[in-house]
Amino acid sequence: GEDVEQSLFLSVREGDSSVINCTYTDSSSTYLYWYKQEPGAGLQLLTYIFSNMDMKQDQRLTVLLNKKDKHLSLRIADTQTGDSAIYFCAETAGGYNKLIFGAGTRLAVHP
Amino acid sequence: DTAVSQTPKYLVTQMGNDKSIKCEQNLGHDTMYWYKQDSKKFLKIMFSYNNKELIINETVPNRFSPKSPDKAHLNLHINSLELGDSAVYFCASSWKGETQYFGPGTRLLVL
Repeated sequence: GEDVEQSLFLSVREGDSSVINCTYTDSSSTYLYWYKQEPGAGLQLLTYIFSNMDMKQDQRLTVLLNKKDKHLSLRIADTQTGDSAIYFCAETAGGYNKLIFGAGTRLAVHP
Repeated sequence: DTAVSQTPKYLVTQMGNDKSIKCEQNLGHDTMYWYKQDSKKFLKIMFSYNNKELIINETVPNRFSPKSPDKAHLNLHINSLELGDSAVYFCASSWKGETQYFGPGTRLLVL
């Protein structure tokens, strides 16, 4: 079936790197996504990776995809207090690519 | 020049009432979605329309009825509201099922 799992909490010190991990089940997913949700706000698309890639870098963000293990990670370099939010991993499923979301990882950045 | 907009942002109503939430996108996309986010932040797809045609209809009570008057609009009507309908409802849009862009959400509270 379709399922996405993420660890629920991550706490890091400002300036350190954060790594958020995700596992998914649908091997036919074309794209895998990371969305960010700040308190009381909507979902902001952070980045995505096409299933035939194994890495994508976008400024402070690095996405790694291990298709064999169905494992996706998001690394945030030089984490700032403004990065505190919930980060959702999502896989696409079905012909019209409905998004299946993980439960979200709550990232807390402390001084 | 908001890409995906929703109205209202907040909705507080009594059990048993009927209410509607509206969504509009100005991205020229052909596919629109409704997602529900519960109190634990879990996100689940409800419906999707492609060119005004219903293409995804998840297991949702038939008190929920989506309507798409044109490609740029997708509304959600809810009859006989129940306490369990309290949630944040997100609209999203995409081009041909590719990357989805989300609206700011409508926070519904049923008393």
